[in-house]
Amino acid sequence: DTGVSQNPRHKITKRGQNVTFRCDPISEHNRLYWYRQTLGQGPEFLTYFQNEAQLEKSRLLSDRFSAERPKGSFSTLEIQRTEQGDSAMYLCASSLGRASNSPLHFGNGTRLTVT
Amino acid sequence: DQQVKQNSPSLSVQEGRISILNCDYTNSMFDYFLWYKKYPAEGPTFLISISSIKDKNEDGRFTVFLNKSAKHLSLHIVPSQPGDSAVYFCAASANAGNMLTFGGGTRLMVKP
Repeated sequence: DTGVSQNPRHKITKRGQNVTFRCDPISEHNRLYWYRQTLGQGPEFLTYFQNEAQLEKSRLLSDRFSAERPKGSFSTLEIQRTEQGDSAMYLCASSLGRASNSPLHFGNGTRLTVT
Repeated sequence: DQQVKQNSPSLSVQEGRISILNCDYTNSMFDYFLWYKKYPAEGPTFLISISSIKDKNEDGRFTVFLNKSAKHLSLHIVPSQPGDSAVYFCAASANAGNMLTFGGGTRLMVKP
């Protein structure tokens, strides 16, 4: 399978704990995105990388959230001191080139439940 | 402030008939529009897109129409099939940028 891969698929954690998610994009894609989706809503943009550089961050991304993409390959999204409001589906996507000519390819997401 | 809105949370259509999904936007800077389909427990899958320089784009059973003056786009599926049953999201970006703004989705149910 050469699609976008996300791990884990599900994560249950207690409030206050730290969690880390991993995303492996399609190998030739230089752009990687993180989105968050809550029930009944569309995905919301969090952050975007071109190769290893983080070029854009949403205001939704509080200081407790940090994303990295070392060496421009896989990416990790860490949430520190989780809160119940962080419960959501975290989606990773990748693309080759600009959004105008290269649609985003999404992974199946990591569902986070904070108890 | 929702910049992309899908006002119908659900739509039910008979197999073989046309499905029309609608989307409205408010940001006049949006110049590229996409439709994604999402099955349960899967990520969104790209369906079709349209640039603001066009008013129609067709791909097989799927056609997207863009009315810039009304800030409205629609997705037509003809003929509808039971396998089309999913949640459909419209999305938009500005200045050929990298951030997509999504609507809230419309759940399409195609009855056999």
